Amino acid sequence: DAGITQSPRHKVTETGTPVTLRCHQTENHRYMYWYRQDPGHGLRLIHYSYGVKDTDKGEVSDGYSVSRSKTEDFLLTLESATSSQTSVYFCAISEGRLFTYEQYFGPGTRLTVT
Amino acid sequence: AQTVTQSQPEMSVQEAETVTLSCTYDTSESDYYLFWYKQPPSRQMILVIRQEAYKQQNATENRFSVNFQKAAKSFSLKISDSQLGDAAMYFCAYRSPYNNNDMRFGAGTRLTVKP
Repeated sequence: DAGITQSPRHKVTETGTPVTLRCHQTENHRYMYWYRQDPGHGLRLIHYSYGVKDTDKGEVSDGYSVSRSKTEDFLLTLESATSSQTSVYFCAISEGRLFTYEQYFGPGTRLTVT
Repeated sequence: AQTVTQSQPEMSVQEAETVTLSCTYDTSESDYYLFWYKQPPSRQMILVIRQEAYKQQNATENRFSVNFQKAAKSFSLKISDSQLGDAAMYFCAYRSPYNNNDMRFGAGTRLTVKP
């Protein structure tokens, strides 16, 4: 299994509070991704990173920001959590840019915003 | 943007039998990758099988095989000799070669395996 951990694994927070989710990898892969999973939607890309301090938006980026100060860590921040951000969040990593490289997923974080 | 459709929200199969999960996609690209991921109750996403669009031969991994129909934009997953451990959500995904980060997932099919 790819060395990907996510923390916390579960979190309950109140509307309007900031929340940061952490993804940590031990594979030294260049590419890292944050997805959210909601019933009826599968997984949707929030943000991704193609190197340290290099990030870009995905399909559903509104309300989220990311940072990557080290190769191994990719942080997802909800500046002011809303109930619509209740979801399961997955981090993924990929070795290279070529589309032949598959993505490996972390165990997920279940976030509930009350 | 590419879309991926899984028209079967739920499927069930008897243990040791064969089941086929459907997936269709919409794209104007001629080259791409297709994937099936399995998500058991543990929530871990596990790659089951992948198919390169330029390959005519259908991919096979042990009991898992695909029926890739490029003209019809169809990518179904066949599970043979179903086992209790196959019970999970299955997601079909499309990855564009022109944008490393454009990986689109279907909504998923929940597979139940009956003993």
